[in-house]
Amino acid sequence: GAGVSQSPRYKVAKRGRDVALRCDSISGHVTLYWYRQTLGQGSEVLTYSQSDAQRDKSGRPSGRFSAERPERSVSTLKIQRTEQGDSAVYLCASRWIRGCSYEQYFGPGTRLTVT
Amino acid sequence: AQSVTQPDIHITVSEGASLELRCNYSYGATPYLFWYVQSPGQGLQLLLKYFSGDTLVQGIKGFEAEFKRSQSSFNLRKPSVHWSDAAEYFCAVGVSGGGADGLTFGKGTHLIIQP
Repeated sequence: GAGVSQSPRYKVAKRGRDVALRCDSISGHVTLYWYRQTLGQGSEVLTYSQSDAQRDKSGRPSGRFSAERPERSVSTLKIQRTEQGDSAVYLCASRWIRGCSYEQYFGPGTRLTVT
Repeated sequence: AQSVTQPDIHITVSEGASLELRCNYSYGATPYLFWYVQSPGQGLQLLLKYFSGDTLVQGIKGFEAEFKRSQSSFNLRKPSVHWSDAAEYFCAVGVSGGGADGLTFGKGTHLIIQP
C-alpha cells in the first residue's frame, strides 16, 4: 500500500494566520509524530499522538502547536498565529511496532513559508 | 536527554570510493539507532537500524553501520559510492522502551559525489 503522505506539499501563510497541515499515515500504525526540519538544524519532534488520543501529548514549543487525530490514520498539525520563525519543512512520521522494536516511516513533508 | 552529533556538515567523495559518515550519540542506556537518507524534496528514508544483537548492521542500498558502545558511535559506511548516493544523511537515536518522545536527530551530513 501507499506510504505516509502529507498535504499540502507547499504552503505560504501570512504572519499571524493559522495553518493546518495534514498527514495520512500507514494503516495500522499506532503513533503519529510531527517533526520540524530546518536547514542545518536537523529535525526536532514537535508533538505526537497515540492511536486513541484526539489531541497531542506534548506542545513543544508549546501553545501554538497542536495535533489532532480526526481519524485513526490521519493527523492534523495546527499552528496558530504563525511567525516567520515557523518557516520550515514539517515532517510527519508514523510508528510501527513489531516485537520489541519500532520504526518510524516519514512522509515527504510540507514546506511552510511564513511571510 | 539524548543527543546526536554528526561532526561533518559536508563530505565530498569520488564515485567508486569508499564512504564513512560519523555519528556519535549521548544516552545513558543502550539506544535505538537509525540512519536516514533524504534526497531534495523527499522525506526521510530509513537506511538501517540497530536495536540489539549483532553490532554490525546491514541496510539498503549497500550501506552498513557499526555500533560501538565504547565510543558511543554508529558510523555509516559504504564500500563504493554511486552518484545516486548524493543526498543528506541523518543519524538518529530513539530511547529504549518505545520512543514515545520521538527520535532525536543529528544535524545531518551533506554528501557530494564527484565524478
